[in-house]
Amino acid sequence: EVQLVESGGGLVKPGGSLRLSCAASGFTFSNAWMTWVRQAPGKGLEWVGRIKSKTDGGTTDYAAPVKGRFTISRDDSKNTLYLQMNSLKTEDTAVYYCSALTSGYWGQGTLVTVSS
Amino acid sequence: EIVLTQSPDFQSVTPKEKVTITCRASQSIGSSLHWYQQKPDQSPKLLIKYASQSFSGVPSRFSGSGSGTDFTLTINSLEAEDAATYYCHQSSSLPTFGQGTKVEIK
Repeated sequence: EVQLVESGGGLVKPGGSLRLSCAASGFTFSNAWMTWVRQAPGKGLEWVGRIKSKTDGGTTDYAAPVKGRFTISRDDSKNTLYLQMNSLKTEDTAVYYCSALTSGYWGQGTLVTVSS
Repeated sequence: EIVLTQSPDFQSVTPKEKVTITCRASQSIGSSLHWYQQKPDQSPKLLIKYASQSFSGVPSRFSGSGSGTDFTLTINSLEAEDAATYYCHQSSSLPTFGQGTKVEIK
């Protein structure tokens, strides 16, 4: 059974940092392009960024609102995806999902609240 | 950035009715268009990938069509469990999502 389990969410003050993790199982994680998607309360889905598989270069891409502040990485030996979030803003408040989008795999999401 | 515009934003439908949701891309994306269903407090679920390929386990009443800039998700004979918000997503370039279409059961 495929599982993606996010962790690391919580309450953080504006300007603060947080690191999210996504533990994967049930599929060949090292071959997957992995993505972070977020959803602000009551809003739609927003693509945050992705990391390609190492065989495809392992490069990262980011959405404009988070570029320069967020960093996606992966540890294929641990089947884990990461999202390092720095300089957080109130508008970053959202549920953050990890996903292997067109494979149909999504985690349950973890809530990040940025508030003073 | 490729902008995806869905229509309508909201639809109230009676059971067994046919539902059509459209997604228009701001530039041609070939067939790199995918559809998701999201119910309240749940993660999105993939319904259709690459415009018309049904994802495993998805009921046959869901179908997709289109290419280039215009795409359609069709739900034949709507069931009560189909009440949800539906999103399109493109993977032709840096991914983006449509704004969502909420389907309510009358």
